[in-house]
Amino acid sequence: GDSVTQMEGPVTLSEEAFLTINCTYTATGYPSLFWYVQYPGEGLQLLLKATKADDKGSNKGFEATYRKETTSFHLEKGSVQVSDSAVYFCALNTNAGKSTFGDGTTLTVKP
Amino acid sequence: DAGVIQSPRHEVTEMGQEVTLRCKPISGHDYLFWYRQTMMRGLELLIYFNNNVPIDDSGMPEDRFSAKMPNASFSTLKIQPSEPRDSAVYFCASRSALSSYNEQFFGPGTRLTVL
Repeated sequence: GDSVTQMEGPVTLSEEAFLTINCTYTATGYPSLFWYVQYPGEGLQLLLKATKADDKGSNKGFEATYRKETTSFHLEKGSVQVSDSAVYFCALNTNAGKSTFGDGTTLTVKP
Repeated sequence: DAGVIQSPRHEVTEMGQEVTLRCKPISGHDYLFWYRQTMMRGLELLIYFNNNVPIDDSGMPEDRFSAKMPNASFSTLKIQPSEPRDSAVYFCASRSALSSYNEQFFGPGTRLTVL
């Protein structure tokens, strides 16, 4: 079945540091890939998405590139801010009804 | 646009009581999902509906949990009787089958505490 494996957290960075959160997946067919973000006390919200190989999703300075050859969708940001502190979830959907989510990675950014 | 609406936002109850959580999906969305989030087990899919019909309830923990979707704009998740281990944040999400990306839209969650 489909699965998503995320880098284990928690991740703690200083402000303006470079961020990478690794995500690899296993899926039948050609999935759409997503990163969701969950701020404290809130629900998950879509951060960025990509639907086919080599697509790059981007939003709020975050980027992720759909790599079919390595089945990966790593999240990156060049310079994190304190306000980026949140839990980040990698997810996929293969046109099935439900999406498959990773376990989430907690990011804490210190000033 | 109103997003996914959940009520109540917080619920505190005593063990053995019935709890009903409510969800209003985004208008026009034809999929609805119920999730549970805890520190120990992370985000778990409990059940999802398509066009008001339950499609997969394999994540429902036990018979104490039930979910209904009587119409396209309303769903409930009921726990009867509730137990302390049911304490968690419960999220409802919806999406449209017409979306080219199949992204889900989450509600703000209901934080349930069972004493």
